[in-house]
Amino acid sequence: DGGITQSPKYLFRKEGQNVTLSCEQNLNHDAMYWYRQDPGQGLRLIYYSQIVNDFQKGDIAEGYSVSREKKESFPLTVTSAQKNPTAFYLCASSIWTATVGTDTQYFGPGTRLTVL
Amino acid sequence: SQQGEEDPQALSIQEGENATMNCSYKTSINNLQWYRQNSGRGLVHLILIRSNEREKHSGRLRVTLDTSKKSSSLLITASRAADTASYFCATGSGGSNYKLTFGKGTLLTVNP
Repeated sequence: DGGITQSPKYLFRKEGQNVTLSCEQNLNHDAMYWYRQDPGQGLRLIYYSQIVNDFQKGDIAEGYSVSREKKESFPLTVTSAQKNPTAFYLCASSIWTATVGTDTQYFGPGTRLTVL
Repeated sequence: SQQGEEDPQALSIQEGENATMNCSYKTSINNLQWYRQNSGRGLVHLILIRSNEREKHSGRLRVTLDTSKKSSSLLITASRAADTASYFCATGSGGSNYKLTFGKGTLLTVNP
């Protein structure tokens, strides 16, 4: 089975705790992304990574951190500095297309994070 | 920042009817993509149209792109109840090869 997996599906966090969301892909994609989705809203980019050991801040990176030690994995940590972390988090990946720009992104099933 | 804006925000139709959703954007793009999201699930890519293309088809889907008006439309023909979902347009801009900017989506309800 090829695709992107995210775990866990549901996550509950107490205020002041850091939590890490997992994202793994076996599509051999170079680029990976993390998005946040709030109810009735579109997706907002948190971080993205074009290649192993490199990543860039997206539009709403404050209070989040990532790592990209392996091509297949791009975990997201939601830190206690994120003031309103309750949301649906989506991970995606895509191929590298230097000539044509952003290509199709393939999404995981998402993790719903709730802060208690 | 939001680049694409879908219109309408919600659309309710009967099975068999056609559904048309529109997307407007503000800055120049390399391509425009449409995605579908079932409630509580991840997004599924539907179709990608490049800035030098005007129309594209995939099964019951037809996408048009008018770069002079900075707008796109998604037409779903002969809709089915299984088409009920939120539909998002996303734009890829030059100079940001890895970034897609998503709109807020159109919620489509197809009644049996």
